[in-house]
Amino acid sequence: KNQVEQSPQSLIILEGKNCTLQCNYTVSPFSNLRWYKQDTGRGPVSLTIMTFSENTKSNGRYTATLDADTKQSSLHITASQLSDSASYICVVTGDRGSTLGRLYFGRGTQLTVWP
Amino acid sequence: EAQVTQNPRYLITVTGKKLTVTCSQNMNHEYMSWYRQDPGLGLRQIYYSMNVEVTDKGDVPEGYKVSRKEKRNFPLILESPSPNQTSLYFCASSRRDHQETQYFGPGTRLLVL
Repeated sequence: KNQVEQSPQSLIILEGKNCTLQCNYTVSPFSNLRWYKQDTGRGPVSLTIMTFSENTKSNGRYTATLDADTKQSSLHITASQLSDSASYICVVTGDRGSTLGRLYFGRGTQLTVWP
Repeated sequence: EAQVTQNPRYLITVTGKKLTVTCSQNMNHEYMSWYRQDPGLGLRQIYYSMNVEVTDKGDVPEGYKVSRKEKRNFPLILESPSPNQTSLYFCASSRRDHQETQYFGPGTRLLVL
C-alpha cells in the first residue's frame, strides 16, 4: 500500500534552535517528493521539491534530504523563528501506472516554536 | 498574479442540498486537484484531473463529483451533502509533469447541518 508516514506528530522547540522532521514513504515508483509548510487555516506553501535523483535541496533555513534507497526524507530547520510555527507536510507524487497523478500526503508534523 | 481562487470561502448548508465549490487557476496548469483536510487525518485527495476532460478518483471520492470542461476551472460538486462532508477543502494546480510546485487555493470551509 502506498503510504507516507511522518514523525514526530508534534514538536516544540525554543526559538533559535534547530530541528529535523522525518518522512518515510512506500510509494513506488515515485516522481518527486515535496515538503510543504501550512499555517493554520491556510493552504500549504511549497518549501522544496526533489526528484528521485536528488539527495538534498535547500530553501533558506530549510534543507531537505532524500534517500531514495531507504525511502526516507528529512526536513532540517536551522535557527528556528516564531514564524516557523506551522504544520509541515511531506508529499510524494506517483510516477506511472496506477499511481500516475496521485499525490500521497503525510499527516504532517505540527511544529511550535516558543520564545 | 499567479493564483488559485476558490468560491465560496465559507459555506453553511443543510443535508441533501446540492452545492458547488468553484476553483479557478490563471497559470495554464494542466493538473488540478481537490483535497479535504480534517483534524488528525491530514490532507486527502478527492479527485484530480490531468487535463481537460480527464478526471480520476483520489483517496476519498465518495459523495463528490468533478468536471473539467475548461483548463482553468475545476468545480467540486456535492450532489447530496451529508454532515460527514463537513471539512476544509482545498483546490490546487500544477504543471502536468509535477516538476514544479503545486499551488493551493485559500480553502473553503464547509459546514453541513
